[in-house]
Amino acid sequence: NAGVTQTPKFRILKIGQSMTLQCTQDMNHNYMYWYRQDPGMGLKLIYYSVGAGITDKGEVPNGYNVSRSTTEDFPLRLELAAPSQTSVYFCATLSGGYEQYFGPGTRLTVT
Amino acid sequence: EDQVTQSPEALRLQEGESSSLNCSYTVSGLRGLFWYRQDPGKGPEFLFTLYSAGEEKEKERLKATLTKKESFLHITAPKPEDSATYLCAVQAYRGGADGLTFGKGTHLIIQP
Repeated sequence: NAGVTQTPKFRILKIGQSMTLQCTQDMNHNYMYWYRQDPGMGLKLIYYSVGAGITDKGEVPNGYNVSRSTTEDFPLRLELAAPSQTSVYFCATLSGGYEQYFGPGTRLTVT
Repeated sequence: EDQVTQSPEALRLQEGESSSLNCSYTVSGLRGLFWYRQDPGKGPEFLFTLYSAGEEKEKERLKATLTKKESFLHITAPKPEDSATYLCAVQAYRGGADGLTFGKGTHLIIQP
């Protein structure tokens, strides 16, 4: 039982490039979330999903897209990367007790 | 708008020196208040959920309490391995599974 896994761990992008951050969970949880964490700031919600085929925007969705075709996977797509998207990205799932469990994160640098 | 403010931003203690971290919050209908621990380069690790004022939870040297306006994380006789950033978050009850609103965290250092 790996919980929540994220790939890659690190990535450097050039301005204008695109990439997909992968998130996979093996706990059969319906709810999944993407957050970003900037230095000295709290985690901010980007997008979330309440089940396969259903997604919704969080607090900071601009510049990102998501899809949810299976219960296990919730990829985050960055189109036309900008320096403002330099951050650490965390994926999380929701358990029955409302607590969220986080993956190890992807550290992204856009230069 | 939900808000979470944590204090202090940083705290340095000697091993064995007990203290408390504060989390003040404003939320329209609290579903839950959550405490997480985050080590450098890792994802937040769940510690506690508190649902209503007066509730308390304990785990080893940590004890979390909740009032209608704030939560405290009490650390008793801490050890160097308790050094980490402690995050507080709230979730409002809006009928759906909205994300958490996080504070900026308290960076705790326990010196041997």
